[in-house]
Amino acid sequence: NAGVTQTPKFQVLKTGQSMTLQCAQDMNHNSMYWYRQDPGMGLRLIYYSASEGTTDKGEVPNGYNVSRLNKREFSLRLESAAPSQTSVYFCASSEGVVTWGYGYTFGSGTRLTVV
Amino acid sequence: QKEVEQNSGPLSVPEGAIASLNCTYSDRGSQSFFWYRQYSGKSPELIMSIYSNGDKEDGRFTAQLNKASQYVSLLIRDSQPSDSATYLCAVIPYNNNDMRFGAGTRLTVKP
Repeated sequence: NAGVTQTPKFQVLKTGQSMTLQCAQDMNHNSMYWYRQDPGMGLRLIYYSASEGTTDKGEVPNGYNVSRLNKREFSLRLESAAPSQTSVYFCASSEGVVTWGYGYTFGSGTRLTVV
Repeated sequence: QKEVEQNSGPLSVPEGAIASLNCTYSDRGSQSFFWYRQYSGKSPELIMSIYSNGDKEDGRFTAQLNKASQYVSLLIRDSQPSDSATYLCAVIPYNNNDMRFGAGTRLTVKP
């Protein structure tokens, strides 16, 4: 049981380049999330998908787009990378509505550097 | 004011002692509360959740919630060096479906 799988684990981009971060879960979870983690700032929500076919903006969506391809996969795209997007990106999934006490299962993260 | 605030630490305790980690939140209507552990360079792992006032115990971990004072704490009994990590507090604000995280408290357990 792999849980939440993120690819790639590391990436270096030049300013202006684009890339897609991939995330897949095999736990049949309905909800999926993309967070970024920066030193001293904690985890901040970029986008989330409460269920297949729906996506919503989080706290820091600017410069990103997402696609919920199916129930398993939720990708994050950077159209034109900027140095401010240098961060560690985590994908997470949740069995149900988090207000009912369901926690997140996180992927292993993608460490992205934009130069 | 940040939505979720934690003392960044580092908090240092000797092996076998009780470690006490605290978290305050700003949205009085917040519903569910979570504690995660994150080892350096790794992803967060869920320790436990709590949504009712009072204590909830799971092994060596006890979560405490006081909604009137808007704080949630995590006690780790019989602390071990393997407990050395950053502990993240997370809160579900009212009328939201996602978690808001504190910046974390770094705990060091010294042998």
